[in-house]
Amino acid sequence: KQEVTQIPAALSVPEGENLVLNCSFTDSAIYNLQWFRQDPGKGLTSLLLIQSSQREQTSGRLNASLDKSSGRSTLYIAASQPGDSATYLCAVRPGNTGKLIFGQGTTLQVKP
Amino acid sequence: SQTIHQWPATLVQPVGSPLSLECTVEGTSNPNLYWYRQAAGRGLQLLFYSVGIGQISSEVPQNLSASRPQDRQFILSSKKLLLSDSGFYLCAWSVPPFSGLEQFFGPGTRLTVL
Repeated sequence: KQEVTQIPAALSVPEGENLVLNCSFTDSAIYNLQWFRQDPGKGLTSLLLIQSSQREQTSGRLNASLDKSSGRSTLYIAASQPGDSATYLCAVRPGNTGKLIFGQGTTLQVKP
Repeated sequence: SQTIHQWPATLVQPVGSPLSLECTVEGTSNPNLYWYRQAAGRGLQLLFYSVGIGQISSEVPQNLSASRPQDRQFILSSKKLLLSDSGFYLCAWSVPPFSGLEQFFGPGTRLTVL
């Protein structure tokens, strides 16, 4: 059974810091991995999608990497800003279906 | 561009009452549609997904049902709500086929069952 874990559960950093959020999964047989952002009381915003054949994806200040063999992904946020404060969720697609399995998320607070 | 709508945004219902939540997608045809529930302390869980009109797959046995009466409309229902049905319900869509494609989420419906 696929399980997704995100560490840490919460993180507080001063503005301007570069930071890394971690995501691990127990079964390396995945089709892709997706990173989302969720603001309090809101839906999910898709940040990055990494296919199983890819090693990383970049969008602006965000960079996501995937090491499928070790069951790990990281989301790197450069030069963090208070507007980056949110909960970040990673999710894996374990097979050729639409099902996504989510981690519990990392709640990030960036202090001005 | 594609947009996804959910309503109502919030709902407070008594135990035993019926439920109907609606999700519609604009700007795409024949999307795959999904219902997720986000309960406190339990993370996001897929409830149902649909690959076409009238085609529904259930992921978790529960007190809920889903229907897809039109190509871009997905409805979540219950005949009698339980306290445990409280949560944040999210609808999502993706372009078929399943594999390799992003899922995009709606704004959600906050359901409180009293």
